[in-house]
Amino acid sequence: AQKITQTQPGMFVQEKEAVTLDCTYDTSDPSYGLFWYKQPSSGEMIFLIYQGSYDQQNATEGRYSLNFQKARKSANLVISASQLGDSAMYFCAMGSTSGTYKYIFGTGTRLKVLA
Amino acid sequence: NAGVMQNPRHLVRRRGQEARLRCSPMKGHSHVYWYRQLPEEGLKFMVYLQKENIIDESGMPKERFSAEFPKEGPSILRIQQVVRGDSAAYFCASSSTGPRTEAFFGQGTRLTVV
Repeated sequence: AQKITQTQPGMFVQEKEAVTLDCTYDTSDPSYGLFWYKQPSSGEMIFLIYQGSYDQQNATEGRYSLNFQKARKSANLVISASQLGDSAMYFCAMGSTSGTYKYIFGTGTRLKVLA
Repeated sequence: NAGVMQNPRHLVRRRGQEARLRCSPMKGHSHVYWYRQLPEEGLKFMVYLQKENIIDESGMPKERFSAEFPKEGPSILRIQQVVRGDSAAYFCASSSTGPRTEAFFGQGTRLTVV
């Protein structure tokens, strides 16, 4: 069965510093994608970054990077130079690219950026 | 991303009433997914549809819940005879085909059953 685990219910980080949000996964699918979404207090889900299981390089999107360690089954999100607007819930998700593309979500990490 | 449109944003229903949630996917997207988010929890998959077809409804409760994605018009998630436990945020997402299948989410419909 597929599973996503986010072990950090809440995190604090000082403004302008980097922070790593942990995500581990479990799947038997040979081909899958890993995603991170941001959910601010307003409630919408904002796509941040994607990593395919066969991608050789770690994904980066601006201040977001994904530390993908396939052997460890981890896909941690790194936010560099944190900003106050980064305060939000962050969800890690996994989707199979060989199936119906439905996502399995983790329980989320609430990040608070301190001024 | 303003592409996936959900309405209404907020919906209040009394116990026993019906709730209809609408979702218009992004232009060019033929895959629609519905997720439910209970308070302080992650999103849980409910159903995956393509035009006129339900592909995977393994996350849908067996009773009272139904979904459709007609040839014309938005996808509809319908909840009959709502109960307090149905109170949640319901998100619709859409994606295109292809190996990179990030789903783009709508802003969600917050259903409150009183």
